[in-house]
Amino acid sequence: DAKTTQPPSMDCAEGRAANLPCNHSTISGNEYVYWYRQIHSQGPQYIIHGLKNNETNEMASLIITEDRKSSTLILPHATLRDTAVYYCIANILTGGGNKLTFGTGTQLKVEL
Amino acid sequence: NAGVMQNPRHLVRRRGQEARLRCSPVKGHSHVYWYRQLPEEGLKFMVYLQKENIIDESGMPKERFSAEFPKEGPSILRIQQVVRGDSAAYFCASSSGEEKLFFGSGTQLSVL
Repeated sequence: DAKTTQPPSMDCAEGRAANLPCNHSTISGNEYVYWYRQIHSQGPQYIIHGLKNNETNEMASLIITEDRKSSTLILPHATLRDTAVYYCIANILTGGGNKLTFGTGTQLKVEL
Repeated sequence: NAGVMQNPRHLVRRRGQEARLRCSPVKGHSHVYWYRQLPEEGLKFMVYLQKENIIDESGMPKERFSAEFPKEGPSILRIQQVVRGDSAAYFCASSSGEEKLFFGSGTQLSVL
């Protein structure tokens, strides 16, 4: 799996968009970009994933650059409950399971 | 819509005792993953099982740790002769073999 690099921490004002960057310059053509988050003491929660195209769901948007070497997770209107560690993971789908390797992530702190 | 259920939520053991952690996957999911999170550290993959079979145990310590996912019943992570260094949060995740992993709330193991 390709290594990903994320800033260790970020702050965001409540109600504003939170833009979390991720570098994955060695990503291969068949590796997806996944985002999970972990709110303190809880199990990780799936947010979104994509291969080449930008993706949007009820939680967030994922913007992947054309060369696929980086991506940005966007929380359009951050709330205090979005304070969590956000993990960007590059992973190949094997069709027989999906073992994920978590890095250190970005600690997002949403403040009033 | 029952998610991944882990029990117990908290488990206290004395050094040398056995710890048994249970995980009931999302109904219909046949893939189970166990992760460990030491205090102030990231999630580390331990083992991946698919109904009665261990697919990948590359993250599992060679001694004292074992995992099973029987045809009927929950997946069990068993730690024999626990030591203080085993104190951690243990998370279970399940999937149907597709992209997303669904995580449980974890079991916090404390070894006295």
